[in-house]
Amino acid sequence: DTGVSQNPRHKITKRGQNVTFRCDPISEHNRLYWYRQTLGQGPEFLTYFQNEAQLEKSRLLSDRFSAERPKGSFSTLEIQRTEQGDSAMYLCASSLTSGGNTDTQYFGPGTRLTVL
Amino acid sequence: AQSVTQPDIHITVSEGASLELRCNYSYGATPYLFWYVQSPGQGLQLLLKYFSGDTLVQGIKGFEAEFKRSQSSFNLRKPSVHWSDAAEYFCAVGAGFNKFYFGSGTKLNVKP
Repeated sequence: DTGVSQNPRHKITKRGQNVTFRCDPISEHNRLYWYRQTLGQGPEFLTYFQNEAQLEKSRLLSDRFSAERPKGSFSTLEIQRTEQGDSAMYLCASSLTSGGNTDTQYFGPGTRLTVL
Repeated sequence: AQSVTQPDIHITVSEGASLELRCNYSYGATPYLFWYVQSPGQGLQLLLKYFSGDTLVQGIKGFEAEFKRSQSSFNLRKPSVHWSDAAEYFCAVGAGFNKFYFGSGTKLNVKP
């Protein structure tokens, strides 16, 4: 068990550029989640996948944001035309569904995005 | 609507002293409750969780938490704090569709 990994750990970009982050979940975990955390706040839910299906998206996920999990393993989160308000830590988590409504989510180290 | 409140933004305790971090939640159904810890620039590490059963749950690093339904609380405790416990602590409630709602966190400072 190598844990959830995220790349890159840090990204600095200029406003208007596109960025893409990658998340590799714990192997055999079938659910994958993306959260955004701004300074001084707790993480806020963005979206989640069960296998390759994206099952829910938050209102926070504007049309500039897109997430994929094409083969049900790793996931990517892309932000197009970045804005300064997108500066945040982007956290990925994964879980193995136990059949109930809520599983235990295990988090990666996050990707810190700074938009200049 | 689901929400989590952590009323203390910052707490400072002396090393060796006891610790209690408060968490209150609002959720219409049976809550699934979690405490996570986050060191600077790092992701979240699970300390403990409550799904059902015994309302006093034990976690890693000597932490425990008690679920009190009547008070809608899930406070985190540790009898003797170590300098390495300095970090930010987040309480979360798991809602339907696996969505977690997090509190805004409590930053713990430990005085030598």
